Amino acid sequence: GAVVSQHPSRVICKSGTSVKIECRSLDFQATTMFWYRQFPKQSLMLMATSNEGSKATYEQGVEKDKFLINHASLTLSTLTVTSAHPEDSSFYICSASGDRAREQYFGPGTRLTVT
Amino acid sequence: GDSVTQMEGPVTLSEEAFLTINCTYTATGYPSLFWYVQYPGEGLQLLLKATKADDKGSNKGFEATYRKETTSFHLEKGSVQVSDSAVYFCALSVMGYGQNFVFGPGTRLSVLP
Repeated sequence: GAVVSQHPSRVICKSGTSVKIECRSLDFQATTMFWYRQFPKQSLMLMATSNEGSKATYEQGVEKDKFLINHASLTLSTLTVTSAHPEDSSFYICSASGDRAREQYFGPGTRLTVT
Repeated sequence: GDSVTQMEGPVTLSEEAFLTINCTYTATGYPSLFWYVQYPGEGLQLLLKATKADDKGSNKGFEATYRKETTSFHLEKGSVQVSDSAVYFCALSVMGYGQNFVFGPGTRLSVLP
């Protein structure tokens, strides 16, 4: 099946700094990528949807200026958490879809800890 | 709006016991239905899926049948193993409304030896 990777798998940063998370589709072209956030023992919450070459669509309540999403190519999307705070600590998961079909392929997730 | 409801966990079973995790949904269109599994510290893995009514998805001994009349997609396995301990998410996706997934809250399964 299709493979989606995320980098880094874990990151610890200090409060006030920014951190970038990469999501790559390794063997297919991802026209759409999704970013989710998962709090401990909870389900996934969709943060934003990005289509290659266009601005991301953010879900209600997600701060666009804090969570910057770039989908510059058909194989790479990045999520930058700006001016991170401890409450941004979470598990961030991306997924990618290569066509109009209904299946998404998920990355392994990135655990962000803000100290 | 679209939604997915799952039985609340945690579910604790002995090895070789029968597993059922209930899932029901509401959708404005004709959804595809999925079960994803998440092992500790990892991302989501697709377990099985069904795209139309009466389809049965199956994988690794797990099965789920798309029941349109009851809007359900219950997950079953005849004999669970310790290695099945994980969180299971039921999800739907409706074509024509974007490609967003709607996930259920997840059900944590613990299988004891």
